[in-house]
Amino acid sequence: DTGVSQNPRHKITKRGQNVTFRCDPISEHNRLYWYRQTLGQGPEFLTYFQNEAQLEKSRLLSDRFSAERPKGSFSTLEIQRTEQGDSAMYLCASSFRQASNYGYTFGSGTRLTVV
Amino acid sequence: EDKVVQSPLSLVVHEGDTVTLNCSYEVTNFRSLLWYKQEKKAPTFLFMLTSSGIEKKSGRLSSILDKKELSSILNITATQTGDSAIYLCAVGYNNNDMRFGAGTRLTVKP
Repeated sequence: DTGVSQNPRHKITKRGQNVTFRCDPISEHNRLYWYRQTLGQGPEFLTYFQNEAQLEKSRLLSDRFSAERPKGSFSTLEIQRTEQGDSAMYLCASSFRQASNYGYTFGSGTRLTVV
Repeated sequence: EDKVVQSPLSLVVHEGDTVTLNCSYEVTNFRSLLWYKQEKKAPTFLFMLTSSGIEKKSGRLSSILDKKELSSILNITATQTGDSAIYLCAVGYNNNDMRFGAGTRLTVKP
């Protein structure tokens, strides 16, 4: 499978717990993006990497959220001390060059439910 | 404030109908407009538009950009139940920013 892969597909966690999601982009894509999507809304930008460098972070990304891409390949998104408002679909996308010129390829997402 | 607005938010039609979905935007340094189809999970790419007035077509779907009106339309002719999905419009702007609209939820009834 040469698409964008995300794990896990679903995660149910208790409020206050930490969770970590993984994204494996298309191998030749050097740009990786994290988005959050809630019901009835389009994806909202969270953060973006070019290779291993995190170049941009949204104001939506509070200090409970941290993302890494240590070797410029896969990325992880960690949410600490989860809150019910964190319940959403977390989408990862990758692109070869500027997404605004070439578009994204999205993964299937990780659906997080905080109970 | 940069924004992307899609209309209608939801639409219910019957098989065989033709639908037109709208996307309007206000962004700085526009680069491109993209349409995606989202069924149960990941959005899948439909079209990328950068030039005004040039129609892109794929089967029963077509789309066109109007930079003067800061908008785009997505047309689907002879709709089928498999067209039921959320259609997302995204606008690329500035260096690498991309903003999505809230989407149009299309339901095609048999």
